[in-house]
Amino acid sequence: QKEVEQNSGPLSVPEGAIASLNCTYSDRVSQSFFWYRQYSGKSPELIMSIYSNGDKEDGRFTAQLNKASQYVSLLIRDSQPSDSATYLCAVGNNNDMRFGAGTRLTVKP
Amino acid sequence: SAVISQKPSRDICQRGTSLTIQCQVDSQVTMMFWYRQQPGQSLTLIATANQGSEATYESGFVIDKFPISRPNLTFSTLTVSNMSPEDSSIYLCSVEDPARKQFFGPGTRLTVL
Repeated sequence: QKEVEQNSGPLSVPEGAIASLNCTYSDRVSQSFFWYRQYSGKSPELIMSIYSNGDKEDGRFTAQLNKASQYVSLLIRDSQPSDSATYLCAVGNNNDMRFGAGTRLTVKP
Repeated sequence: SAVISQKPSRDICQRGTSLTIQCQVDSQVTMMFWYRQQPGQSLTLIATANQGSEATYESGFVIDKFPISRPNLTFSTLTVSNMSPEDSSIYLCSVEDPARKQFFGPGTRLTVL
């Protein structure tokens, strides 16, 4: 079983729609959760962090965490073509950080 | 967030040679990490480099192949030794802040012929 699992996609949404990206993790003692955006040919860029259950909003981005279900998601509202990228979920505990394989998102004009 | 630079940004190397990648941070950080990202794949942690101690390597990575230096709190190097085409990848350094957020350098794209 992979430690951090994401749907590889590609996920395609029309411009203006909500994109929903999902991630599950296996280590119950995980404490920190992150979403990174990676454009083709670029390094990952941190866009959201969340540490407690519930929702955290930042602009058009909302991260949702449910530790009981070991599930973290990222919602992107009013998706724009510039949001087209690979989104990496990362989960951390006391010892290390593990990354998912990433979900490729395409936002079509 | 810290500003991180890496040198070289890319290189093409011959089989059997070695390449040293440098990572420079504009502020002092305790934790630095080295990752590899092969085409179309996610990030694989190679090792954690803390100043003043030996690097900690992940399963499948050994010091003889990937020696790491961490001489101070703003700098680290990763050497890819005795390279083969399978080492062709993007190598990324990252730093961690007290909230456990990691920030990545721009990466080094390595091609081994």
